[in-house]
Amino acid sequence: QKEVEQDPGPLSVPEGAIVSLNCTYSNSAFQYFMWYRQYSRKGPELLMYTYSSGNKEDGRFTAQVDKSSKYISLFIRDSQPSDSATYLCASLRNQGGKLIFGQGTELSVKP
Amino acid sequence: GAVVSQHPSWVICKSGTSVKIECRSLDFQATTMFWYRQFPKQSLMLMATSNEGSKATYEQGVEKDKFLINHASLTLSTLTVTSAHPEDSSFYICSAGRGQGYNEQFFGPGTRLTVL
Repeated sequence: QKEVEQDPGPLSVPEGAIVSLNCTYSNSAFQYFMWYRQYSRKGPELLMYTYSSGNKEDGRFTAQVDKSSKYISLFIRDSQPSDSATYLCASLRNQGGKLIFGQGTELSVKP
Repeated sequence: GAVVSQHPSWVICKSGTSVKIECRSLDFQATTMFWYRQFPKQSLMLMATSNEGSKATYEQGVEKDKFLINHASLTLSTLTVTSAHPEDSSFYICSAGRGQGYNEQFFGPGTRLTVL
């Protein structure tokens, strides 16, 4: 079983839709949770990170972590064509540890 | 802030040659640098972790003699793919970690390696 699982998609939504991206993880020792956005042939860009359970909001993006169910979510409100990219969730066990990535979900927002 | 560059952005080489990829943190000193490999439509797989002035720590299954990592300073790490073969063709991405607390990693733009 992979430590971080993510549906690879692809996911296609119309412009303006609310997008929900999800991951599950198996290691209860994970404490840090990140979402990265990766455009084609580019390196990943950090979007959000959270520590332990809870919500974090930044503009149109909301990250949610539920440690009881080992579930990580990223919500994108009012999605734009420029949001079309691959979104990677990642988890970190502790400070100085290595990032464990999900497979990435390919998102396409159609005008 | 927190910009990481990689050079070259793409490289094509003949089988058997060696290729060096540079990773630089432009506006901060990186306590740790990481090297990843990514195959098409797959996630990033960590190859090795390096700290300035010490030997790199390689992940299981990664040949340290084939993928030479040098972390010469707090702003520069290099990955050399020695005696490259077509199966080494991939997207290589570095990241630089900042700070002692939460280990925030900033990624470079990646290097596309094609071995003919």
